Amino acid sequence: NAGVMQNPRHLVRRRGQEARLRCSPMKGHSHVYWYRQLPEEGLKFMVYLQKENIIDESGMPKERFSAEFPKEGPSILRIQQVVRGDSAAYFCASSPPYGQLNTEAFFGQGTRLTVV
Amino acid sequence: DQQVKQNSPSLSVQEGRISILNCDYTNSMFDYFLWYKKYPAEGPTFLISISSIKDKNEDGRFTVFLNKSAKHLSLHIVPSQPGDSAVYFCAARLNNFNKFYFGSGTKLNVKP
Repeated sequence: NAGVMQNPRHLVRRRGQEARLRCSPMKGHSHVYWYRQLPEEGLKFMVYLQKENIIDESGMPKERFSAEFPKEGPSILRIQQVVRGDSAAYFCASSPPYGQLNTEAFFGQGTRLTVV
Repeated sequence: DQQVKQNSPSLSVQEGRISILNCDYTNSMFDYFLWYKKYPAEGPTFLISISSIKDKNEDGRFTVFLNKSAKHLSLHIVPSQPGDSAVYFCAARLNNFNKFYFGSGTKLNVKP
């Protein structure tokens, strides 16, 4: 039973390019969360998605950032026109379907985005 | 709005002694609490959890205490080992909403 898979592990983009980060949740998990960790900082919530539905995007910057979790395939975090301040580690987590009590979220290894 | 707070960014402890990591929360509706451990360049891994109906949960060297009246959570590691050196995040969840709220983390350094 594979864990949460994120790819790529490392991504380098020039300023103004687009970054696409992928996350495949654990088998049987239908909820995906994206977090960002800036250097020397904690985990900042970005967005919470179910299949084909954004539940909470209160942590997403208003511009350039978007996320999706289609019916088929991985969840995608997309950053358009990247700037140096977007350089960070982006972590994806998944959890079982709504209604299962007292379960934890499982994290992927993260994607380290470097904007040059 | 930081609903889960870890006010100590770092903690240094001698090997063999007790490490106590603290966490405070503001939302009384949280009903499940978790601790995660994170090594550099890796994703956080689940360590231990506690339901709001309990006040203590123990797993080997790790014990989590919950004080609901004070809205306070703590993780005790005893005895501490150098391999415990990592960043520890506390988290809280609303079971009827399935969203996890994380603290900012405490970097634990266990000195040999």
